[in-house]
Amino acid sequence: DAGVTQSPTHLIKTRGQQVTLRCSPKSGHDTVSWYQQALGQGPQFIFQYYEEEERQRGNFPDRFSGHQFPNYSSELNVNALLLGDSALYLCASSLGTLAGVQETQYFGPGTRLLVL
Amino acid sequence: AQTVTQSQPEMSVQEAETVTLSCTYDTSESNYYLFWYKQPPSRQMILVIRQEAYKQQNATENRFSVNFQKAAKSFSLKISDSQLGDTAMYFCAFTGGYNKLIFGAGTRLAVHP
Repeated sequence: DAGVTQSPTHLIKTRGQQVTLRCSPKSGHDTVSWYQQALGQGPQFIFQYYEEEERQRGNFPDRFSGHQFPNYSSELNVNALLLGDSALYLCASSLGTLAGVQETQYFGPGTRLLVL
Repeated sequence: AQTVTQSQPEMSVQEAETVTLSCTYDTSESNYYLFWYKQPPSRQMILVIRQEAYKQQNATENRFSVNFQKAAKSFSLKISDSQLGDTAMYFCAFTGGYNKLIFGAGTRLAVHP
């Protein structure tokens, strides 16, 4: 049973560039959430995709955008990169349900982004 | 505001001993789940244990158990018979609504031989 996978594992970009990170959910899962984890901190929620739509969004600027494909895989795009965007980006998948029903999220290994 | 506070930035324990990690949270939601996740140096966030807020019985998972005090909004993790492989960052988290996880800042646990 394949778990959550993410690519690439590491990435180095310069300020102002754009980056795309990719995530494939655990088999059977249809919901993907993205988190940003700065060094020494807990993960911060960016947004969540369900049925190819952004269902919920955290306190991140519009430079952060995403997409979910019909096979439930997802991309996170960040435009106009800033030094402060350097972080570990985690993808988590879960089984989508109606509001109020919580399903456990399973995480991928993350993508380490360094902005110079 | 929905927040999670882990008041112990670092803890250490001897192998085979017991250690308790503290967590308090704040939410106005009535239906939520609580989690402890472990993040070893490999970075992979691994689920340790999960507790449904509507259940009074504390969750247990092998050597891991929680002490859930809903009125006090407290959710501590007890690790019994600590092993070297338990060395990691431990994050307390909860969800509300559409499964948005709110994390604490983490506790770094070191298990010494």
